[in-house]
Amino acid sequence: NAGVTQTPKFQVLKTGQSMTLQCAQDMNHEYMSWYRQDPGMGLRLIHYSVGAGITDQGEVPNGYNVSRSTTEDFPLRLLSAAPSQTSVYFCASRRTNEKLFFGSGTQLSVL
Amino acid sequence: GEDVEQSLFLSVREGDSSVINCTYTDSSSTYLYWYKQEPGAGLQLLTYIFSNMDMKQDQRLTVLLNKKDKHLSLRIADTQTGDSAIYFCAESGGGADGLTFGKGTHLIIQP
Repeated sequence: NAGVTQTPKFQVLKTGQSMTLQCAQDMNHEYMSWYRQDPGMGLRLIHYSVGAGITDQGEVPNGYNVSRSTTEDFPLRLLSAAPSQTSVYFCASRRTNEKLFFGSGTQLSVL
Repeated sequence: GEDVEQSLFLSVREGDSSVINCTYTDSSSTYLYWYKQEPGAGLQLLTYIFSNMDMKQDQRLTVLLNKKDKHLSLRIADTQTGDSAIYFCAESGGGADGLTFGKGTHLIIQP
């Protein structure tokens, strides 16, 4: 099993550009989520999904869209990047009531 | 909403024990977790405890849970330089709304 795979590892965007952060897991986990990590703020939940076709907002959803067309993939879209979205993004997945597995992160800078 | 609090920094001497503390507010927490993040890396699950347990030991790691006081601690015996990292406490009600993380404790090892 590859676990949770995130791409890209690093990305630099200009304000207003769009991009998609990819996340895939091969463990057949129902639950997938996106977090952002900022200095002094810990991890904050952006969006999550409890299964294919179902998504919901977390603590800081504004400026981000998600979709879950398959069990394996949970992409995070930035439609119009802003400097406030400069952060490290982590994707995670788990089975219901089990531990959370994290990807290795995507470091995003918005200039 | 739920909240998880932990100190931002802890400094210990190599060979001593480290004790990282965490308090949480969600009385319905089912699982409580400790994650470790090394520089430039993702989060790695270190250990977790189910809410009906008081203590869990795993080699150099001891987790203590005081459910009445909503207090969780992680003790690392014989702290080594490789233990230098950020340690995140997290709690989950076992439902679909993700984990709530503390801001992380930076463990600094002094020679």
